[in-house]
Amino acid sequence: ELQLVESGGGLVQPGGSLRLSCAASGFSLSNYNFNWVRQAPGKGLEWISLISTTGSTTYYADSVNGRFTISRDNGKNSLYLQMNSLTAEDTAVYYCARDNIRYLLLPAALDLWGQGTTVTVSS
Amino acid sequence: EIVMTQSPATLSVSPGERAIVSCRASQNVRNNLAWYQQKPGQAPRLLIHGASTRATDIPVTFSGSGSGTEFTLTISSLQSEDFAVYYCQQYNTWPRTFGQGTTVEIK
Repeated sequence: ELQLVESGGGLVQPGGSLRLSCAASGFSLSNYNFNWVRQAPGKGLEWISLISTTGSTTYYADSVNGRFTISRDNGKNSLYLQMNSLTAEDTAVYYCARDNIRYLLLPAALDLWGQGTTVTVSS
Repeated sequence: EIVMTQSPATLSVSPGERAIVSCRASQNVRNNLAWYQQKPGQAPRLLIHGASTRATDIPVTFSGSGSGTEFTLTISSLQSEDFAVYYCQQYNTWPRTFGQGTTVEIK
């Protein structure tokens, strides 16, 4: 079964840091570009970052650029999101999601999603 | 960034009826447009990509159309499991952006 499982969420104080992980199973993570998408409580979806298959190319939304870093370890079949300087506005469920095109960095929809991990930023 | 605007915000439909959700892009996104369905407490699910191509295992009751800046998701003959929130997303230009969502509720 194809599956993505996020972990690492939790409660963190404003200004703090957190590292999210996303583990893939049932397929080789190395063949795909991956994204992080978040959803604040009661709100819509916000795309925040993408990393290419080799990790050589990354993109970020303005809202997280300079504070968040996306990375991957293809040998461990895992994706990561390092989040620094967190604020209350970063409180959300964070999803990892796979591009639906293999190998190439092309316009792509998101065809496989994890169940999400919740990040709460509060004192 | 490209702003995606969905209408209506909420759509009340009786079971068995048709639902039509619209999505407008602030710039040309060609056909690089996807639709997702999200139910409470669940992750989004890809319904349509390339503006009109159904994703794997998506029933034929879901169809998408449009290109450029105007897009439509049509759900024919709504079933109980179709009542959910629907999002459009453009992936033509960075950052990839979502619409604000349309809630399809039981009338």
